[in-house]
Amino acid sequence: KQEVTQIPAALSVPEGENLVLNCSFTDSAIYNLQWFRQDPGKGLTSLLLIQSSQREQTSGRLNASLDKSSGRSTLYIAASQPGDSATYLCAVSNDYKLSFGAGTTVTVRA
Amino acid sequence: GAGVSQTPSNKVTEKGKYVELRCDPISGHTALYWYRQSLGQGPEFLIYFQGTGAADDSGLPNDRFFAVRPEGSVSTLKIQRTERGDSAVYLCASSPLGGSTDTQYFGPGTRLTVL
Repeated sequence: KQEVTQIPAALSVPEGENLVLNCSFTDSAIYNLQWFRQDPGKGLTSLLLIQSSQREQTSGRLNASLDKSSGRSTLYIAASQPGDSATYLCAVSNDYKLSFGAGTTVTVRA
Repeated sequence: GAGVSQTPSNKVTEKGKYVELRCDPISGHTALYWYRQSLGQGPEFLIYFQGTGAADDSGLPNDRFFAVRPEGSVSTLKIQRTERGDSAVYLCASSPLGGSTDTQYFGPGTRLTVL
């Protein structure tokens, strides 16, 4: 069974600091990895999807890397803003089924 | 265009009652998924539909849980004889084809509270 772990569970940083969120998974036979954002009481918003053949994806201030062989992904958020405060979830796909980590809750202090 | 919608947004029920949760996927998406998110945890897979059929229901916790998608669009998750442990947010997602390269688009969820 795929196990996904996210460290740290919570993170608080001052505005402008770069954020580094980590995700690890036990079964490297994945099809892709996604990073999601979840605001309190809301659903999930997909931020980035990295196919298993790719090493990284970038969107604006967000960059995600994938090292499939070591079972790790890192999400970087540059120049954090208070609006980045949310829970960030990592999910790996074994075909259609997503396996999620418990998330990292980020607070960006103004 | 419209995203995935779920109704109701909140449902409070008493232990032992029957509940139905509805999901309206993005128009044209053939794949539909249900996940359950307990407090402080990530979502857990429940069931996957490809068209009208349940292609994988291995995540359903027991036979009190059942889901249908009769016309290949709207889906209903049904829970019989609810228990307090069923309290969670139930998330629905859809994707265009259901393949491994698809992005799944999630709805806002239904928060179920069993008293």
